[in-house]
Amino acid sequence: KNEVEQSPQNLTAQEGEFITINCSYSVGISALHWLQQHPGGGIVSLFMLSSGKKKHGRLIATINIQEKHSSLHITASHPRDSAVYICAASVFTGTASKLTFGTGTRLQVTL
Amino acid sequence: NAGVTQTPKFQVLKTGQSMTLQCAQDMNHEYMSWYRQDPGMGLRLIHYSVGAGITDQGEVPNGYNVSRSTTEDFPLRLLSAAPSQTSVYFCASSYSGGNSANEKLFFGSGTQLSVL
Repeated sequence: KNEVEQSPQNLTAQEGEFITINCSYSVGISALHWLQQHPGGGIVSLFMLSSGKKKHGRLIATINIQEKHSSLHITASHPRDSAVYICAASVFTGTASKLTFGTGTRLQVTL
Repeated sequence: NAGVTQTPKFQVLKTGQSMTLQCAQDMNHEYMSWYRQDPGMGLRLIHYSVGAGITDQGEVPNGYNVSRSTTEDFPLRLLSAAPSQTSVYFCASSYSGGNSANEKLFFGSGTQLSVL
């Protein structure tokens, strides 16, 4: 079982819909990262969380440390939001930090 | 700032050949890392470095070698390529490895490697 689980694996939405992507992790973390990967491969950092909630434009990320769960929300989705969204848990081993990645959620937003 | 520069973008090798994937960053980050991305799997850590002269193994280090002679550069060497190393490779850098919730991760553009 992967230490970081994402759901759903694939998601299709119509433009304007509210979207939620979930991430659950089984390890103790120092931070949780949300990343975006567009077709063609480039990976961009969206959010870094250790508690609470962060918002950037139409994107909102929340984390519940007790439940070991994070969500990424997209309000008023747009075709340009089509991408793979990846969550990554940062675990500090005592000497260094290591990231464990989920397998990603592929989002397709249609007109 | 250029961010993280990773080359080449594409590479085809024959089994047994060696090659080096280059990674450079201009943000004075201490932490640099290499990942491979395979279909249906999350990115997996190959090797990482917490500063010049310091490297350590990640989750899937076999068949790969790294060195960190400067803060800026962190090359990944494939010693004798095998078909199982066909993958997309990403280099990343950050201040301390993504340990802080205010710390941003920076990724290179990726290298698509095929080993025949």
